[in-house]
Amino acid sequence: GDQVEQSPSALSLHEGTGSALRCNFTTTMRAVQWFRKNSRGSLINLFYLASGTKENGRLKSAFDSKERYSTLHIRDAQLEDSGTYFCAAEFNMGYKLTFGTGTSLLVDP
Amino acid sequence: AQTIHQWPVAEIKAVGSPLSLGCTIKGKSSPNLYWYWQATGGTLQQLFYSITVGQVESVVQLNLSASRPKDDQFILSTEKLLLSHSGFYLCAWKDNTLYFGAGTRLSVL
Repeated sequence: GDQVEQSPSALSLHEGTGSALRCNFTTTMRAVQWFRKNSRGSLINLFYLASGTKENGRLKSAFDSKERYSTLHIRDAQLEDSGTYFCAAEFNMGYKLTFGTGTSLLVDP
Repeated sequence: AQTIHQWPVAEIKAVGSPLSLGCTIKGKSSPNLYWYWQATGGTLQQLFYSITVGQVESVVQLNLSASRPKDDQFILSTEKLLLSHSGFYLCAWKDNTLYFGAGTRLSVL
């Protein structure tokens, strides 16, 4: 079936460093979104991309529908960036969104 | 500005008892509405979506049902809860970007 493979499942960064999260898709997707889980468990939208790249502060996301992947780059990581991040992919047809399994990010001093 | 409100915040229910979770969206006309569910440690799964009053499409069968009695209201329910219904339920609305409510944490004992 249509799947979203998110990696890594867990990531540890020192403060001030950076890294990237990635989602691979088994089929062509119309758009992708990235979310961060808040303290209560709900999801806060970070980016919505139908193509190309977007940047917001220390976060940058890219989506390549042809190559079937999306990335979320974090630079100059801060302690408050710790948390769980999810991608969600939107299929070309219909109203279904499929979520990745999440990346648990820990930023330490 | 649009607001999304879910109720209740949390529920502890007995197996076999009925359930009704609610969601309202203010400030948005004819929103596309979604119900999501996440079992503890599991992936977020889309349960239902609705694009108009009185219309609901099921994505995953979990012995749950949904209804949209009003343009701004989305209800998730069942007459008989199962242990497997425990988890975190999220309502969302979408206009490209998906916006989530604060969620309802359900424990079935």
